[in-house]
Amino acid sequence: AQSVTQLGSHVSVSEGALVLLRCNYSSSVPPYLFWYVQYPNQGLQLLLKYTSAATLVKGINGFEAEFKKSETSFHLTKPSAHMSDAAEYFCAVSDQINNDMRFGAGTRLTVKP
Amino acid sequence: KAGVTQTPRYLIKTRGQQVTLSCSPISGHRSVSWYQQTPGQGLQFLFEYFSETQRNKGNFPGRFSGRQFSNSRSEMNVSTLELGDSALYLCASSFGLQMVYEQYFGPGTRLTVT
Repeated sequence: AQSVTQLGSHVSVSEGALVLLRCNYSSSVPPYLFWYVQYPNQGLQLLLKYTSAATLVKGINGFEAEFKKSETSFHLTKPSAHMSDAAEYFCAVSDQINNDMRFGAGTRLTVKP
Repeated sequence: KAGVTQTPRYLIKTRGQQVTLSCSPISGHRSVSWYQQTPGQGLQFLFEYFSETQRNKGNFPGRFSGRQFSNSRSEMNVSTLELGDSALYLCASSFGLQMVYEQYFGPGTRLTVT
């Protein structure tokens, strides 16, 4: 079965700094990969997804992620953090065989002024 | 377009009781998925319904069940509640099966079991 590991439960960056949130996956078949964001007291919102097209995926709010099969990684980046980016971020994996979504434990991003 | 709505937003139950949560998907969406979110276990997939049929199920006991109606609205039921069932239950809808189509999440129902 597939699984996801998010490295770092908390990440803190300064406003304007690079955001890097790490995600490694395990899947025996080609995966579909997702990044979601959750603001306090809200549901999840899809940032971007990889479904075997281009390996560099651009999402909303200036985020992007690169699928690296050799490293089994799908790290999320944003060149310049904004205060409004403070939230919890979840990486998730699914595939055509298992067809259930597995989420990582989440990374809480704090943005310092 | 109205978003995914979940009712009730907050619920308090006692051990041994049962509970039913409701989810109304975005108009035109035929897939509804349910998730449980807890601080300890994180986000866990419960089940997905598509066109009134359960398409896949996560690793939860049979006390957790669901159904979908012809208008795509979905309910999930938890019987014989345990303290560990306290969680935020999230519903998500999508046009088609969750892995291919973007899921839109509702705000969740926070269930507290005492």
